[in-house]
Parts: sequence; C-alpha cells; structure tokens
Amino acid sequence: DAKTTQPTSMDCAEGRAANLPCNHSTISGNEYVYWYRQIHSQGPQYIIHGLKNNETNEMASLIITEDRKSSTLILPHATLRDTAVYYCIVRGYTSNDYKLSFGAGTTVTVRA
Amino acid sequence: EAQVTQNPRYLITVTGKKLTVTCSQNMNHEYMSWYRQDPGLGLRQIYYSMNVEVTDKGDVPEGYKVSRKEKRNFPLILESPSPNQTSLYFCASSFGGGNEKLFFGSGTQLSVL
Repeated sequence: DAKTTQPTSMDCAEGRAANLPCNHSTISGNEYVYWYRQIHSQGPQYIIHGLKNNETNEMASLIITEDRKSSTLILPHATLRDTAVYYCIVRGYTSNDYKLSFGAGTTVTVRA
Repeated sequence: EAQVTQNPRYLITVTGKKLTVTCSQNMNHEYMSWYRQDPGLGLRQIYYSMNVEVTDKGDVPEGYKVSRKEKRNFPLILESPSPNQTSLYFCASSFGGGNEKLFFGSGTQLSVL
C-alpha cells in the first residue's frame, strides 16, 4: 500500500467547513483512497472512500486531484463531535501483499 | 447488528504470563487483522488473515501469534508478554483484503507489569 502524508494537527471553528489534506504521491492505479476517524480511543470508523471521482455521503465529501496524488476530506459543517484523529490511507489489490497500517493521522480539534 | 467483538476491554497482567485476546466478527468477512496503537505511532498492523488457515505478518509481528481456525474468529496470543507490549489493541475485518472498508472492534487496553 502507498504511504500517505497528513498534517499532524489542525483546528476548526464550529459550524465552518474543515478541509483535511492528504498526500499520496505513490498511489497506484488500482488503489482507493480511504478516510477513517477515531474519536478518543474508540475503534476507527469508516468515513468515505474514492478512486478517481469526487465522492459525497452524509458524513463528508472527498475531493481527489486529477493526478490522484493528493486528496482533501471536507467536513462541511464541523461540530464539536467531529473532534477526532482522521486517517487517510490507500488500499487496493497489489499482488499478494495485504498489509495495511495507518499513520499517525491528523488530530482535528473543533472549537466552539 | 453487524459488529466486531473484542474481549476483554481491559487487561492487566504480569510479564511472562500467557494471554489471549479474542476477536469475533458476524459479517462473514474473509479478511481480519490485528493492530496495536501507541501514542504518536498511529495503528501498526501486527498480523492479518485473508481466510481460514491463511495468516501473514504485518509490520510489528514480533512477540505475537495468531490463528484462524474459523472464519469468524481471529484470536491474538501473547505467549510471554513483556512491558513493551503494553498498548491499545484493535481487531478489524473486511470482506476482502483489497478495496473494502474495514470494521473495527472497540479495542483492548493491555497493561503488562
């Protein structure tokens, strides 16, 4: 799996959009971009994923650049409950290697 | 309800005393995996399994064993725990090993004294 690079932390005001960047410059053609979040020490929770096109669901939007080397997770109206660590990973079928570790992610703090 | 169940939630033990952390999923997932989480290091994969009787090492397998005798269960075994294995552990599963979302358990906080 390709490695990803995310900022260590970021702050966001409640009610405003939070834009979380992720670099994945070595992503291969069959790898998807996934986002998860972890609130406190709970198990990580799936948010959204995409391959090439932008995606939107009830939680967030995912914008993937045309060259697929980076992406942005958008939380449209951040609330205090969105305070969490957000992980960007890439995952796909690459020969027989199904290893998958998560980096340190981005710690997002939403402030009132 | 679809879920990944880990037990116990908290465990305190002493160096060298064998222990097992259980993980079970009710979604008929083929892929299962164990992670440990330490401050500032994200989630590091210990072992994973693509199917029954098929397991492979992740990034930090030393000191751990796993088995996959049934599709739903994937226990993590520490034969001789040491203090550096004090960590928060998560089990996860997905339908396959490629493009499928992972479902995580609630975690097991292990302290080895």
